[in-house]
Amino acid sequence: SQQGEEDPQALSIQEGENATMNCSYKTSINNLQWYRQNSGRGLVHLILIRSNEREKHSGRLRVTLDTSKKSSSLLITASRAADTASYFCATSNNDMRFGAGTRLTVKP
Amino acid sequence: GAVVSQHPSRVICKSGTSVKIECRSLDFQATTMFWYRQFPKKSLMLMATSNEGSKATYEQGVEKDKFLINHASLTLSTLTVTSAHPEDSSFYICSVRTRADTQYFGPGTRLTVL
Repeated sequence: SQQGEEDPQALSIQEGENATMNCSYKTSINNLQWYRQNSGRGLVHLILIRSNEREKHSGRLRVTLDTSKKSSSLLITASRAADTASYFCATSNNDMRFGAGTRLTVKP
Repeated sequence: GAVVSQHPSRVICKSGTSVKIECRSLDFQATTMFWYRQFPKKSLMLMATSNEGSKATYEQGVEKDKFLINHASLTLSTLTVTSAHPEDSSFYICSVRTRADTQYFGPGTRLTVL
């Protein structure tokens, strides 16, 4: 069964704008990870944030985690057309459960 | 990170036949691998956890006799879809979990059952 729920389900922005995606989950976690998936392809790991961390950066990505609210956000700054993809959050205890994903479209 | 391959990348088969999908961890010895399926425009659903040298653990609602998993070595897990039906058509993805607790995914196998 799924664990996380992403919101929005779909997001369309112009190149150069920032994109924010949110994820909520239900149970306690060891860590939360964000992945991207281009259509019909495998998943690419973006970033892992542990349950005792609140914020993490990687290049143009910024991830926050609020364990009290059981939520996380992924911010992509200065978006590019190549960022167009589906983004999933996944929570990890012994296994990994995925949210429904956000389909991001960045228009050139 | 770990490099994971899957074979085949695409397979088309007739209804009633069996199809085997291989998942290989190329640079990491994986005691645990995971199998997911994904329907178009949907998220990944965990099917089973594959444990090296022991039986797989299946998620509720996944038929273990239909989706046979064998994890015979630390670098190879196979998923066999037996007596395939059109509703089994999906994108099947495996993953490996490293000691850093990060999962790395294979490129996926697209199964089409006619």
